[in-house]
Amino acid sequence: EVQLVESGGGLVKPGGSLRLSCAASGFMFSYYNMNWVRQAPGKGLEWVSSISSSGSYIYYADSMQGRFTISRDNAKKSLYLQMNSLRAEDTAVYYCARGDNGDYAWGQGTLVTVSS
Amino acid sequence: QTVVTQEPSFSVSPGGTVTLTCGLSSDSVSPNYYPSWYQQTPGQAPRTLIHSTNIRSSGVPDRFSGSILGNKAALTITGAQADDESDYYCVLYMGGGSWVFGGGTKLTVL
Repeated sequence: EVQLVESGGGLVKPGGSLRLSCAASGFMFSYYNMNWVRQAPGKGLEWVSSISSSGSYIYYADSMQGRFTISRDNAKKSLYLQMNSLRAEDTAVYYCARGDNGDYAWGQGTLVTVSS
Repeated sequence: QTVVTQEPSFSVSPGGTVTLTCGLSSDSVSPNYYPSWYQQTPGQAPRTLIHSTNIRSSGVPDRFSGSILGNKAALTITGAQADDESDYYCVLYMGGGSWVFGGGTKLTVL
């Protein structure tokens, strides 16, 4: 069974940093592209970033470019999102999602709250 | 700024058929945009229904179908059930690795 378990969320002050992790199991992690998608409270889904199976290709939404860094460790079957210079509008549930072409398997999400 | 449009809300009677759409502010949606659809109930993670226009994700009942209708992507639910009452999101591939979600449609079954 495919399992994606996010962790690392929490309360952080504006301007602060946080590193999210996603632990994968039940499939060959190194074969799949991976993604982060977020959802602000009461709002819709927003694509954040994607990384290819090898880590060679990385993409970001414009509003995250330069502040967020996606990475992966295939040996540890883990996906990461380093978030710097956090703003109140980054408050959201962050979902880890496996796959490409929209064919996603989703984790349960981790809540990030940016507030003073 | 690319905007992906969805109906904010829709209602359907139990057993009825409903078609939700996903459009672009600046272009017609084609399979090149890999339109995909997700279902989400409050407090839960999204569930993938359809990807690449019309490919049903594993375990999704065949009463959910995807297509291109006119200049939009469409999700059709045939024989709506009470537990289909959810938020539905589409996403489109914009090229260069970038994806944009629509604002979502809140579907009521009553």
